Parts: sequence; C-alpha cells; structure tokens
Amino acid sequence: DIVMTQSPDSLAVSLGERVTINCKSSQSVLYSSDNKNYLAWYQQKPGQPPKLLIYWASTRESGVPDRFSGGGSGTDFTLAITSLQAEDVAVYYCHQYYTPRHTFGQGTKLEIK
Amino acid sequence: EVQLLESGGNLVQPGGSLRVSCAASGFTFSSYAMSWVRQAPGKGLEWVSTISTSGDSTYYADSVKGRFTISRDNSKDTLYLQMNSLRAEDTAVYYCTKGHPSILTYFDYWGQGTLVTVSS
Repeated sequence: DIVMTQSPDSLAVSLGERVTINCKSSQSVLYSSDNKNYLAWYQQKPGQPPKLLIYWASTRESGVPDRFSGGGSGTDFTLAITSLQAEDVAVYYCHQYYTPRHTFGQGTKLEIK
Repeated sequence: EVQLLESGGNLVQPGGSLRVSCAASGFTFSSYAMSWVRQAPGKGLEWVSTISTSGDSTYYADSVKGRFTISRDNSKDTLYLQMNSLRAEDTAVYYCTKGHPSILTYFDYWGQGTLVTVSS
C-alpha cells in the first residue's frame, strides 16, 4: 500500500498568517496516462464528517474559499492557506486515490496561536 | 441534493456481527463507485472498502479483509457493510462516501457516520 506521511502533526498559527501543510507519498501518485496527480485534501472540524477541499492535487472544490490552494506533483504535495481565519481550525488530511486501496495521511491539527 | 444516510451502528460484543447501511439519494446511485471510511475515537481516517458501480469489483483494507463484506443494491440505492468477527479495534464511526464512477476517485460527499462500538 502507498503510505502517506503528513508534516507537521500539528501547528499553531496566528490569524492572518500563511499556513503550509505537507504530504509525502511512498510512491508517485502521478498517473502518466492522464498526467494527473491522484491526491486530495480534506478538512475535518470536530463532530463533523470530512469535507473535500482539493482534488487532483490542485483543483479547488466548488465553494471552497480561494485562500486554500494545493500544489505539488509525484510524491510531494502541499496544502496552503494564505491568510488563516478562525473558522479554519480543523484537522487536515491528504488522501491518495491512485490505487484501489486508498490511503490517508495521519492528519495535521491546525490551531490558532 | 446529494444525501448519504448511514444506519445500523450499535454496541456489539467481540466476535459478533453487524451490518451497517447507507441510503443514498440525490444522484444516480448505480453510476458511482462507493466506499466506506472509518475513524476510531480520537484517531485519523482509515479507508475500509470500495465497491464498483455494478458491485463486481470490491477492495478491502488488510485490517478488515476476510471479515468485512461490502455490497450494494442498486435497485434500493443502498450500500452495505457486513462486519463479522468484530474486534475492539473495529470500534469507530463508519462513514459512507461517494466518489466518481471510477474506483480511483476522491470522496466528494460523506455521510454523517454511524458509530460501531465493539465491547463486552
């Protein structure tokens, strides 16, 4: 199975500051036939199911604020929040769907400093 | 509006069995692969199983393979997860998720989840 490793496990950032969360896969999730990275990001707030933020590594889901962006290719990916808002406090997960046996990163807990 | 409504979660003894269901609405259920993802209390997300549109192809995490069976009834727009030989480590909220027609899909809709507790 592909192992997804996120860093850091947790971070505290001041309101208005930029946030970067990293995700590394144990093998490439770039599918050569369509040149797409099979990588998604989710946000989960307490007591709620996860919410899709980003898919194909960099495509923002409809309705997601444009302060959220995804980047990277192959094995190294990032989720960035340009200006942290109070409502962004959550746990963030990356997810590879390159293989039928999907895997998630362990999660990154984001808090306000 | 897409809706996924899980049911069937309960307290069950170790070694017991349980079937959870997911009633889907708001989309053409038979056209989409479906999956189960679980989350143990205070822990991260774990993919459990995926089923193709027709149900002919199924995939399982090693942690549940041979004990859990995913199935679907496209005439009832319902997804199932039959769980046998349950263990304490299967205690989790089980989410039903929808993706795209392919099994190689991100999960764009999630249900609210159903809690399965395995304890004596």
